[in-house]
Amino acid sequence: DTEVTQTPKHLVMGMTNKKSLKCEQHMGHRAMYWYKQKAKKPPELMFVYSYEKLSINESVPSRFSPECPNSSLLNLHLHALQPEDSALYLCASSPGDNEQFFGPGTRLTVL
Amino acid sequence: ELKVEQNPLFLSMQEGKNYTIYCNYSTTSDRLYWYRQDPGKSLESLFVLLSNGAVKQEGRLMASLDTKARLSTLHITAAVHDLSATYFCAVDMQKTSGSRLTFGEGTQLTVNP
Repeated sequence: DTEVTQTPKHLVMGMTNKKSLKCEQHMGHRAMYWYKQKAKKPPELMFVYSYEKLSINESVPSRFSPECPNSSLLNLHLHALQPEDSALYLCASSPGDNEQFFGPGTRLTVL
Repeated sequence: ELKVEQNPLFLSMQEGKNYTIYCNYSTTSDRLYWYRQDPGKSLESLFVLLSNGAVKQEGRLMASLDTKARLSTLHITAAVHDLSATYFCAVDMQKTSGSRLTFGEGTQLTVNP
């Protein structure tokens, strides 16, 4: 398996909802990443996990809560989001400190 | 703080023509990546450039890296419509705990018949 998968593909949620995004890879990669991408902008790094431990948090608001239950799985828990959080959320993985492989993304709309 | 600048941001070109996209960055790094993104889609890895003087070619695209000038180029030869997409360069300020990519603003390329 040589790809990163993300579910769901699309998500619409209200500002009081709690939801989770899921990312999975079976390439044995030791680092996994969450990015946020607004329309016509580049991806912005949110979190980095290395060996299942959070190594980088780019000052992301606490309404976004990452979790890495095992080396293949990465979650992003969402709570009390704002409409400006609507974006494409991309997951990526890498064997180490090198090339990152991106998943298809989850398009999130917050109403 | 690392800054990555791409130019042009918008490029409209005719099929069959050649053009170059430039990527300048502000801090020393010897790892640079080029990605392609189609509208509504994810990022597709195009090139991995890991040392000064690195040159990679795939089809009508060729990428190079000059770490001393802090400059990478993506050259398009004899453009075809299928190359229409947004192209991002990304500089890696690697850490022992995973890579840390900073992306340029992207170049939106439109190839016209």
